[in-house]
Amino acid sequence: EVQLVESGGGIVEPGGSLRLACVASGFSFSNTWMDWVRQAPGKGLEWIGRIRSKAAGGTADYGAPVKGRFTISRDDSRDTVYLHLSSLNTEDTAVYYCWTGGSMGYWGQGTLVSVSS
Amino acid sequence: QAVVTQEPSLTVSPGGTVTLTCGSSTGAVTSGHIPYWFQQKPGQVPKTLIYETINKFSWTPARFSGSLLGGKAALTLSGAQPEDEADYHCFLSYSGILVFGGGTRLTVL
Repeated sequence: EVQLVESGGGIVEPGGSLRLACVASGFSFSNTWMDWVRQAPGKGLEWIGRIRSKAAGGTADYGAPVKGRFTISRDDSRDTVYLHLSSLNTEDTAVYYCWTGGSMGYWGQGTLVSVSS
Repeated sequence: QAVVTQEPSLTVSPGGTVTLTCGSSTGAVTSGHIPYWFQQKPGQVPKTLIYETINKFSWTPARFSGSLLGGKAALTLSGAQPEDEADYHCFLSYSGILVFGGGTRLTVL
């Protein structure tokens, strides 16, 4: 059974940083490109970015709203993908999901990040 | 950044057929935009329904189908059920950069 479990969310002050993690199981993580998607309260989905498998170069692409502030990394030894958030502002308040994409299409349950003073 | 457009809301009668669309500010949507469709019910995690324009997952009900229609990506629901009432999201890929539309709220009434 495929599982994606996010963690690391919480309350952070504007300008602060946070690291989210998504632990995967039930599939070949090292061969899978992983995405992060977020959803602000009452709003639609927004793509944050994607990290390729090491075999495909291991590089990441990012959506315009977060480019330069957020970084995606992976640790295949831990079947984990990370999302490093920095220079946070109130507009970054959202539920953050990891997603497998491709022909897999699995979602984690999400982790809530609240940016507030 | 490109803008992806969806109908803000649609209504379908039980048993009826409805088509949701996903358009691009850059022009006609093609299979190269690798359209995906998602269903999200209130308080729930999104569910991926369609990938790469037309392909279904094992959990995708047969009444849902994906296509390209009139220069847009389309999700057609044939034989709507009350449980299909939900928000539907699409995204398009622009050289590997994914952009979501604003979502369509579908009411079955």
